[in-house]
Amino acid sequence: SQTIHQWPATLVQPVGSPLSLECTVEGTSNPNLYWYRQAAGRGLQLLFYSVGIGQISSEVPQNLSASRPQDRQFILSSKKLLLSDSGFYLCAWRGGRNTGELFFGEGSRLTVL
Amino acid sequence: GQQVMQIPQYQHVQEGEDFTTYCNSSTTLSNIQWYKQRPGGHPVFLIQLVKSGEVKKQKRLTFQFGEAKKNSSLHITATQTTDVGTYFCAGNRDDKIIFGKGTRLHILP
Repeated sequence: SQTIHQWPATLVQPVGSPLSLECTVEGTSNPNLYWYRQAAGRGLQLLFYSVGIGQISSEVPQNLSASRPQDRQFILSSKKLLLSDSGFYLCAWRGGRNTGELFFGEGSRLTVL
Repeated sequence: GQQVMQIPQYQHVQEGEDFTTYCNSSTTLSNIQWYKQRPGGHPVFLIQLVKSGEVKKQKRLTFQFGEAKKNSSLHITATQTTDVGTYFCAGNRDDKIIFGKGTRLHILP
């Protein structure tokens, strides 16, 4: 069966520090991968998505970046965090192109102080 | 860019009352999905609608997809405390999945 792992679950970082959130999927190949951010009590904002290794589409210009070094690995990074980067970051995957449900990881709660 | 708007943002209902949330897209969608997020949790898939005018039911939940494939609704009959959470619609176009802001449902006992 397919599983998705996301870590770390919680982190508190100072302004200006770097960030790395990692997401891996098991039990499937060539998934579509997504990063979403959810501010407190708000909706899900699509940040990045990837349809294959090295293929990253950015939805919102910001100080975040994403990479997909392996088929089932998706990394969200920042060189210098801002206060506004605080939120709940969710990684998700799906198997089908243009269809199919999203399976979400447990999420990473980031607080920037 | 593609936008998915969802109303209302919040809804308080007495237990046993009905609840409806509405979703509108600025563009025609390939399909639309609905998710539920419990407090502190991650979104969980409920259903996907693909065909124009499609209606699907899951027990007390009824989902509709508009004829123009630009709007959708979720109706819950006789709400229960287990229905508490935030309900999101998500519009699918190509490989992008854009979520509405969600409707947070509170159930009053």
